[in-house]
Amino acid sequence: DTVVTQSPLSLSVTPGEPASISCRSSESLLHANGYNYLDWYLQKPGQSPQLLIYLGSNRAPGVPDRFSGSGSGTEFTLKISRVEAEDVGVYYCMQARQTRAFGQGTKVEIK
Amino acid sequence: EVQLVESGGGLVQPGRSLRLSCTASGLHFGDYAMTWVRQAPGKGLEWVGFIRAAAYGATTDYAASVKGRFSISRDDSKSIAYLQADSLKTEDTAVYYCNGRLVRGNDVSDIWGQGTMVVVSS
Repeated sequence: DTVVTQSPLSLSVTPGEPASISCRSSESLLHANGYNYLDWYLQKPGQSPQLLIYLGSNRAPGVPDRFSGSGSGTEFTLKISRVEAEDVGVYYCMQARQTRAFGQGTKVEIK
Repeated sequence: EVQLVESGGGLVQPGRSLRLSCTASGLHFGDYAMTWVRQAPGKGLEWVGFIRAAAYGATTDYAASVKGRFSISRDDSKSIAYLQADSLKTEDTAVYYCNGRLVRGNDVSDIWGQGTMVVVSS
């Protein structure tokens, strides 16, 4: 099974500062079609998850452009250019190349 | 309004069965892949399984933790996806979310329900 591992597991960020979360896969998520099958989700406190980034680097509709996804193969990164108070919650990566699997989650809080 | 509404959760004894439903509205349900994701109390998200759209054969895939016990089906005429959970274990206790995903070219529609709680306990 393809396992994805996130780091760090928690992050405390000052508003306006950048933040970065890493997701490492045990196998390549790059398909022969050129797409990386890696999504990023945010689950805000008390809410259902919401899609932020799909296919590694595509921002979902309505997602602010301060969120960006990058990487290929086995190494991926979610970056928030300037963290805002509304960005608190738990961020998950999920591989969709094989039988899907979520990472452990990264809890982001505001300093 | 585009939405997914889960139902069917509740308290069930170990070894028994439960069927969860995910009812869609405001979208062309038949085009969407439907996924079930669960979250045990205080834990992270766990992918449970999904069913592709009929255009892709309505094929299914499951997490190892539920394979052989859970099955997912869909009734496109009613815009409902089902999760049949058999031989339930205490570790299946979780909020169960359904998710619908449609990718067309560079566009995506990704919708989540509000979740339904399943408690497996004697």
